[in-house]
Amino acid sequence: GEDVEQSLFLSVREGDSSVINCTYTDSSSTYLYWYKQEPGAGLQLLTYIFSNMDMKQDQRLTVLLNKKDKHLSLRIADTQTGDSAIYFCAERATVSGTYKYIFGTGTRLKVLA
Amino acid sequence: DAGVTQSPTHLIKTRGQQVTLRCSPKSGHDTVSWYQQALGQGPQFIFQYYEEEERQRGNFPDRFSGHQFPNYSSELNVNALLLGDSALYLCASSLFGQSTDTQYFGPGTRLTVL
Repeated sequence: GEDVEQSLFLSVREGDSSVINCTYTDSSSTYLYWYKQEPGAGLQLLTYIFSNMDMKQDQRLTVLLNKKDKHLSLRIADTQTGDSAIYFCAERATVSGTYKYIFGTGTRLKVLA
Repeated sequence: DAGVTQSPTHLIKTRGQQVTLRCSPKSGHDTVSWYQQALGQGPQFIFQYYEEEERQRGNFPDRFSGHQFPNYSSELNVNALLLGDSALYLCASSLFGQSTDTQYFGPGTRLTVL
Protein backbone atom coordinates (compact mmCIF):
# COMPACT_ATOMS: atom_id res chain seq x y z
CA GLY A 1 0.00 0.00 0.00
CA GLU A 2 0.93 3.65 -0.19
CA ASP A 3 1.75 5.35 3.07
CA VAL A 4 4.05 8.12 4.20
CA GLU A 5 4.60 8.44 7.93
CA GLN A 6 6.00 11.24 10.02
CA SER A 7 6.19 12.01 13.71
CA LEU A 8 3.60 14.60 14.70
CA PHE A 9 5.57 17.07 16.79
CA LEU A 10 9.11 18.37 17.27
CA SER A 11 10.25 21.11 19.61
CA VAL A 12 13.74 22.65 19.50
CA ARG A 13 15.51 25.70 20.89
CA GLU A 14 16.48 28.57 18.62
CA GLY A 15 19.96 28.02 17.21
CA ASP A 16 19.84 24.23 17.58
CA SER A 17 19.49 21.81 14.67
CA SER A 18 16.13 20.22 13.87
CA VAL A 19 15.79 16.78 12.32
CA ILE A 20 12.43 15.76 10.88
CA ASN A 21 12.02 12.14 9.83
CA CYS A 22 9.81 10.40 7.31
CA THR A 23 9.28 6.85 6.10
CA TYR A 24 7.64 5.92 2.83
CA THR A 25 6.53 2.65 1.29
CA ASP A 26 6.57 2.92 -2.50
CA SER A 27 9.92 1.66 -3.76
CA SER A 28 9.14 3.04 -7.22
CA SER A 29 9.25 6.60 -5.93
CA THR A 30 11.79 8.53 -7.94
CA TYR A 31 11.55 11.88 -6.19
CA LEU A 32 10.94 12.79 -2.58
CA TYR A 33 10.00 16.27 -1.44
CA TRP A 34 9.87 18.42 1.65
CA TYR A 35 7.21 21.12 1.89
CA LYS A 36 6.63 23.75 4.58
CA GLN A 37 3.19 25.03 5.55
CA GLU A 38 2.70 28.08 7.72
CA PRO A 39 -0.66 28.75 9.45
CA GLY A 40 -3.42 29.52 6.96
CA ALA A 41 -1.14 29.19 3.96
CA GLY A 42 -0.51 26.77 1.13
CA LEU A 43 2.51 24.51 0.84
CA GLN A 44 5.92 25.94 0.03
CA LEU A 45 8.40 23.63 -1.69
CA LEU A 46 11.60 23.56 0.34
CA THR A 47 13.71 20.97 -1.42
CA TYR A 48 13.59 17.62 -3.17
CA ILE A 49 15.93 14.70 -3.69
CA PHE A 50 16.20 12.21 -6.50
CA SER A 51 16.11 8.59 -5.46
CA ASN A 52 19.62 7.82 -6.75
CA MET A 53 21.09 10.38 -4.33
CA ASP A 54 21.69 9.83 -0.65
CA MET A 55 22.25 13.43 0.39
CA LYS A 56 21.43 16.91 -0.80
CA GLN A 57 22.42 20.17 0.88
CA ASP A 58 20.80 23.53 0.24
CA GLN A 59 21.93 26.34 2.56
CA ARG A 60 20.61 25.45 6.03
CA LEU A 61 18.75 22.39 4.76
CA THR A 62 20.22 18.90 4.45
CA VAL A 63 18.19 16.01 3.11
CA LEU A 64 19.33 12.44 3.79
CA LEU A 65 17.83 9.48 1.95
CA ASN A 66 18.22 5.84 2.97
CA LYS A 67 16.57 4.06 0.07
CA LYS A 68 17.10 0.60 1.56
CA ASP A 69 15.09 1.52 4.66
CA LYS A 70 12.80 3.94 2.76
CA HIS A 71 13.73 6.64 5.26
CA LEU A 72 14.03 10.34 4.51
CA SER A 73 15.12 13.11 6.85
CA LEU A 74 15.30 16.88 6.76
CA ARG A 75 17.87 18.62 8.92
CA ILE A 76 17.53 22.36 9.51
CA ALA A 77 20.72 23.92 10.84
CA ASP A 78 20.62 26.95 13.17
CA THR A 79 16.84 26.72 13.52
CA GLN A 80 15.10 30.10 13.79
CA THR A 81 11.68 31.08 15.16
CA GLY A 82 10.59 31.70 11.56
CA ASP A 83 11.09 28.00 10.88
CA SER A 84 8.12 27.19 13.11
CA ALA A 85 5.61 25.53 10.77
CA ILE A 86 4.31 22.14 9.65
CA TYR A 87 6.70 20.17 7.46
CA PHE A 88 5.38 17.61 5.00
CA CYS A 89 7.28 14.82 3.37
CA ALA A 90 5.92 13.66 -0.01
CA GLU A 91 6.80 10.92 -2.43
CA ARG A 92 6.19 10.87 -6.15
CA ALA A 93 4.98 7.42 -7.11
CA THR A 94 4.46 6.18 -10.65
CA VAL A 95 0.92 4.96 -11.29
CA SER A 96 -0.12 3.73 -14.75
CA GLY A 97 2.60 5.72 -16.44
CA THR A 98 1.83 8.99 -14.68
CA TYR A 99 2.81 10.45 -11.35
CA LYS A 100 0.92 10.57 -8.09
CA TYR A 101 2.00 12.50 -5.04
CA ILE A 102 1.50 11.02 -1.58
CA PHE A 103 1.94 13.25 1.45
CA GLY A 104 2.63 12.43 5.06
CA THR A 105 0.50 13.82 7.87
CA GLY A 106 3.06 16.50 8.64
CA THR A 107 5.41 17.28 11.53
CA ARG A 108 4.67 20.41 13.52
CA LEU A 109 7.98 22.11 14.38
CA LYS A 110 7.97 24.54 17.29
CA VAL A 111 11.06 26.66 17.80
CA LEU A 112 11.52 28.04 21.31
CA ALA A 113 13.26 31.37 21.72
CA ASP B 1 5.95 35.99 -12.47
CA ALA B 2 2.60 35.12 -10.92
CA GLY B 3 2.49 32.04 -8.78
CA VAL B 4 -0.49 29.74 -8.37
CA THR B 5 -3.65 31.65 -7.50
CA GLN B 6 -6.92 30.31 -6.12
CA SER B 7 -10.34 31.78 -5.54
CA PRO B 8 -12.20 32.31 -3.37
CA THR B 9 -10.04 32.25 -0.23
CA HIS B 10 -12.92 31.25 2.02
CA LEU B 11 -16.33 29.78 1.37
CA ILE B 12 -19.23 28.72 3.58
CA LYS B 13 -21.89 26.36 2.23
CA THR B 14 -24.62 24.17 3.67
CA ARG B 15 -25.08 20.44 3.28
CA GLY B 16 -26.45 19.40 -0.10
CA GLN B 17 -25.24 22.50 -1.91
CA GLN B 18 -22.77 22.58 -4.75
CA VAL B 19 -19.48 24.52 -4.86
CA THR B 20 -16.98 25.55 -7.54
CA LEU B 21 -13.38 26.42 -6.72
CA ARG B 22 -10.99 28.01 -9.18
CA CYS B 23 -7.26 27.83 -9.81
CA SER B 24 -4.84 29.58 -12.14
CA PRO B 25 -1.50 27.81 -12.55
CA LYS B 26 1.92 29.35 -12.28
CA SER B 27 3.01 31.03 -15.50
CA GLY B 28 4.47 28.45 -17.89
CA HIS B 29 2.78 25.48 -16.22
CA ASP B 30 0.25 23.30 -18.01
CA THR B 31 -0.77 20.71 -15.40
CA VAL B 32 -3.07 21.26 -12.45
CA SER B 33 -3.61 18.94 -9.50
CA TRP B 34 -6.18 19.32 -6.74
CA TYR B 35 -5.78 18.21 -3.13
CA GLN B 36 -8.03 18.12 -0.08
CA GLN B 37 -6.40 18.87 3.25
CA ALA B 38 -8.56 18.12 6.28
CA LEU B 39 -7.65 19.73 9.57
CA GLY B 40 -4.52 18.18 11.04
CA GLN B 41 -3.91 15.98 7.99
CA GLY B 42 -1.65 16.01 4.98
CA PRO B 43 -3.01 16.82 1.52
CA GLN B 44 -4.94 14.01 -0.16
CA PHE B 45 -4.77 13.82 -3.96
CA ILE B 46 -8.13 14.35 -5.68
CA PHE B 47 -7.24 14.46 -9.38
CA GLN B 48 -4.90 15.91 -11.98
CA TYR B 49 -5.67 17.68 -15.25
CA TYR B 50 -3.48 17.99 -18.32
CA GLU B 51 -4.54 18.94 -21.85
CA GLU B 52 -8.06 19.53 -20.53
CA GLU B 53 -8.44 15.90 -19.48
CA GLU B 54 -8.46 14.17 -16.13
CA ARG B 55 -5.25 12.12 -16.14
CA GLN B 56 -5.29 10.63 -12.67
CA ARG B 57 -7.73 10.37 -9.84
CA GLY B 58 -7.40 9.64 -6.14
CA ASN B 59 -9.94 7.88 -3.93
CA PHE B 60 -12.67 10.48 -4.12
CA PRO B 61 -16.32 9.93 -5.10
CA ASP B 62 -17.88 11.13 -8.33
CA ARG B 63 -19.34 14.10 -6.43
CA PHE B 64 -15.88 15.60 -7.02
CA SER B 65 -15.40 16.66 -10.61
CA GLY B 66 -13.18 19.08 -12.43
CA HIS B 67 -12.39 20.89 -15.59
CA GLN B 68 -9.36 22.42 -17.24
CA PHE B 69 -9.66 25.28 -19.70
CA PRO B 70 -7.51 26.04 -22.78
CA ASN B 71 -5.60 28.65 -20.78
CA TYR B 72 -4.66 25.85 -18.29
CA SER B 73 -6.76 27.23 -15.46
CA SER B 74 -8.93 24.73 -13.66
CA GLU B 75 -12.10 24.34 -11.61
CA LEU B 76 -12.98 21.86 -8.91
CA ASN B 77 -16.70 21.16 -8.45
CA VAL B 78 -18.18 19.36 -5.49
CA ASN B 79 -21.86 18.36 -5.54
CA ALA B 80 -24.16 17.34 -2.70
CA LEU B 81 -21.82 18.72 -0.05
CA LEU B 82 -21.32 16.77 3.17
CA LEU B 83 -20.05 18.04 6.51
CA GLY B 84 -16.93 15.94 5.91
CA ASP B 85 -16.08 17.96 2.82
CA SER B 86 -15.01 20.85 5.07
CA ALA B 87 -11.31 21.25 4.39
CA LEU B 88 -8.61 23.36 2.77
CA TYR B 89 -8.60 22.69 -0.97
CA LEU B 90 -5.20 23.14 -2.53
CA CYS B 91 -4.34 23.52 -6.17
CA ALA B 92 -0.85 22.71 -7.44
CA SER B 93 0.61 23.33 -10.86
CA SER B 94 3.53 21.79 -12.69
CA LEU B 95 4.99 21.40 -16.16
CA PHE B 96 4.13 18.07 -17.73
CA GLY B 97 7.10 15.96 -18.73
CA GLN B 98 9.60 17.92 -16.67
CA SER B 99 11.93 15.42 -15.05
CA THR B 100 11.41 16.72 -11.54
CA ASP B 101 7.70 17.43 -12.13
CA THR B 102 7.91 19.80 -9.19
CA GLN B 103 4.55 21.01 -7.97
CA TYR B 104 3.94 24.54 -6.77
CA PHE B 105 0.97 25.11 -4.51
CA GLY B 106 -1.51 27.94 -4.23
CA PRO B 107 -2.69 29.38 -0.90
CA GLY B 108 -5.82 27.24 -0.91
CA THR B 109 -9.55 27.73 -0.53
CA ARG B 110 -10.97 27.00 2.89
CA LEU B 111 -14.41 25.43 2.54
CA THR B 112 -16.71 25.15 5.52
CA VAL B 113 -19.85 23.05 5.19
CA LEU B 114 -22.52 23.69 7.82
